[in-house]
Amino acid sequence: DVKVTQSSRYLVKRTGEKVFLECVQDMDHENMFWYRQDPGLGLRLIYFSYDVKMKEKGDIPEGYSVSREKKERFSLILESASTNQTSMYLCASSLIGDVETQYFGPGTRLLVL
Amino acid sequence: GQQVMQIPQYQHVQEGEDFTTYCNSSTTLSNIQWYKQRPGGHPVFLIQLVKSGEVKKQKRLTFQFGEAKKNSSLHITATQTTDVGTYFCAGNGDNAGNMLTFGGGTRLMVKP
Repeated sequence: DVKVTQSSRYLVKRTGEKVFLECVQDMDHENMFWYRQDPGLGLRLIYFSYDVKMKEKGDIPEGYSVSREKKERFSLILESASTNQTSMYLCASSLIGDVETQYFGPGTRLLVL
Repeated sequence: GQQVMQIPQYQHVQEGEDFTTYCNSSTTLSNIQWYKQRPGGHPVFLIQLVKSGEVKKQKRLTFQFGEAKKNSSLHITATQTTDVGTYFCAGNGDNAGNMLTFGGGTRLMVKP
């Protein structure tokens, strides 16, 4: 079974703090993704990576950065957290191939005060 | 950019009734995927459709991909309380590479 884990299930941070969200997958997947999920807006892609040290902006990259130093690990960084970044953050991974099923982690619910 | 719209946003049904959610893309898709997210859980892959006009069934769930590859639907026959959750479609555009664009989801609630 594919396993995607995220470093925290719940986080509370203050405005202006630097926040690190980590995601690890154990299936040697090339692709990794960070989404945020907000009520009524579905899943919106923040950034994705298709290889180590490679990254591509998604639909809403502003205020975020990412790091992929190792194939199994993809980090999302909020340089200076703001209240509008309060959300559920979901990490996913997939193989490069014909069926690019995405496997999701359990999510991190971030509250920025 | 590519947009994927999904309707309805919410649906209440009585157990045993049928349910359908519809997905429409602003651009032609190379494939479309469907995911289910249970309350408090994370999205789980259900199926992928690739061919124009394709229809796939999983027990009480029927998935269709439109002839123009710009729309899709998920139909559940005789809903059960275990069907509760949010159903998302996600489209892969012809030029989108590895990127999926998710619809807003349809939240299904089933009254026993």
